[in-house]
Amino acid sequence: AQKITQTQPGMFVQEKEAVTLDCTYDTSDQSYGLFWYKQPSSGEMIFLIYQGSYDEQNATEGRYSLNFQKARKSANLVISASQLGDSAMYFCAMRDYGSSNTGKLIFGQGTTLQVKP
Amino acid sequence: DSGVTQTPKHLITATGQRVTLRCSPRSGDLSVYWYQQSLDQGLQFLIQYYNGEERAKGNILERFSAQQFPDLHSELNLSSLELGDSALYFCASSATPSSGGNEQFFGPGTRLTVL
Repeated sequence: AQKITQTQPGMFVQEKEAVTLDCTYDTSDQSYGLFWYKQPSSGEMIFLIYQGSYDEQNATEGRYSLNFQKARKSANLVISASQLGDSAMYFCAMRDYGSSNTGKLIFGQGTTLQVKP
Repeated sequence: DSGVTQTPKHLITATGQRVTLRCSPRSGDLSVYWYQQSLDQGLQFLIQYYNGEERAKGNILERFSAQQFPDLHSELNLSSLELGDSALYFCASSATPSSGGNEQFFGPGTRLTVL
């Protein structure tokens, strides 16, 4: 069964510093996608970044980059130059493109990030 | 703004009641997903519809049902409500993967409180 594990319930980072949020995954599929979403205190889910299992390069979107290590089954999110507005809950998620290919997302438990001024 | 709309934003009701949550996907998106976010269960996939047909089912209770209409909007029906059904219910939509729709775009959610 597919599973996403986020081992850091809470993280602190100083404003303007970089921070890494950990995510490991488990799947027997060869074709899958990994996602990161941000959930501010207002509750909405904001898509941040996507990495496909066959993508050779690590995904980047502005200050967000995904450190994809396939052999270790990890997909860590790196946020550079943290801003106060980055304070939120962050979710790692996975979908499979294998036999089911439904598109449903399996989410981790989330990491709460607090940026200190 | 993701382009996915959900109504109502908040819903307060009593145990045993029935409610309907509504979702309109982004223009052109054929897939609609429903997720439940609760403190004890986290974010869980409930059900997916694709172009009007049920595509996948997750941990959806028998008291819950959903449908997707010809105009692609979707409704999630929750009946015989229990205290434990209190949660944030999200709808998400995506295009087909062949058109580059890897992302799922989430609506603002409906916060259901069962008293």
